[in-house]
Amino acid sequence: QSMLTQPPSVSAAPGQRVTISCSRSDSNIENDYVSWYQQLPGTAPKLLIYDTERRPSGIADRFSGHKSDTSATLDITGLQSGDEADYFCGTWDTSLSAYIFGGGTTVTVL
Amino acid sequence: QVQLRESRPGLVKPSQTLSLTCSVSGAYVNSGYFYWGWIRQFPAKGPEWVAHMDDNGRTFSNPSLESRLTMYRDPSRSQFALILSSVTAADTAVYYCASGPAYEGTEHVPPAYDHWGQGALVIVSS
Repeated sequence: QSMLTQPPSVSAAPGQRVTISCSRSDSNIENDYVSWYQQLPGTAPKLLIYDTERRPSGIADRFSGHKSDTSATLDITGLQSGDEADYFCGTWDTSLSAYIFGGGTTVTVL
Repeated sequence: QVQLRESRPGLVKPSQTLSLTCSVSGAYVNSGYFYWGWIRQFPAKGPEWVAHMDDNGRTFSNPSLESRLTMYRDPSRSQFALILSSVTAADTAVYYCASGPAYEGTEHVPPAYDHWGQGALVIVSS
C-alpha cells in the first residue's frame, strides 16, 4: 500500500526555521497534488498548503511548500510558540483512487 | 464561508451500524463544486481518510472500509452522511467531516480539505 513518510518530530528555537519532509514509498512525488495540514492539540486539522506550494487565504507566508522529485517539504520560518502542533502531508493517490495522509510530524519550539 | 458540524452518535455496540451526518451551511451539498468527505483519527495517531463524494456524486472509499461503507447526500436537510456497518472496537475514533473545492477556476483539481467539522468521538463498545 502506498504510504507518505514524514519524520516523527522536528524542533527549533523561536525565530528559527524548520523543514518537514514528505516522501512516497512507491514512487516519486513530483506529480502529486500535495497538501499540508496543521493540527493544534484538541482541534481539527487545518489546511496550510495545497497544490504543493499554494496557501489558502489567511495562512501566514511563514508557511511555505516546495517539492523535488523525491519529496515535498513544508518550511516554517520565524518559528513561534503557537506553531507547536502536528503537521500532516496528504495527497490523492490516483492509482488507489484514495486519499492518503502521512504519519505526521510533531513540531516542538524549544 | 462553509461550516460543517457532525452529529454525535456517541457509543455504538460492536456489530451494529454507525450512522454519522454532517450538517452543511454556506454551501449546497449538491452544488457540483465540492468534495464532501469523512476522515477519522485514532488516539495519538494521524488522520485516516475514510471516504468522500466528488462533484459528480460518486463515492470513493478507503479500500479497507469499502465493503462496509455507504455515503449519501440529503440536499433537503443540507447534509451528507456516512454509514459504516459491522463496526468493531477498531472503528473507535474521532470522525471529522470535511470539504474541499473540486475546481480551481475551471480546472478540476484533486481534493484538499479546507473546511472541517469539529469532530465527533465515536466509541464502539458493548
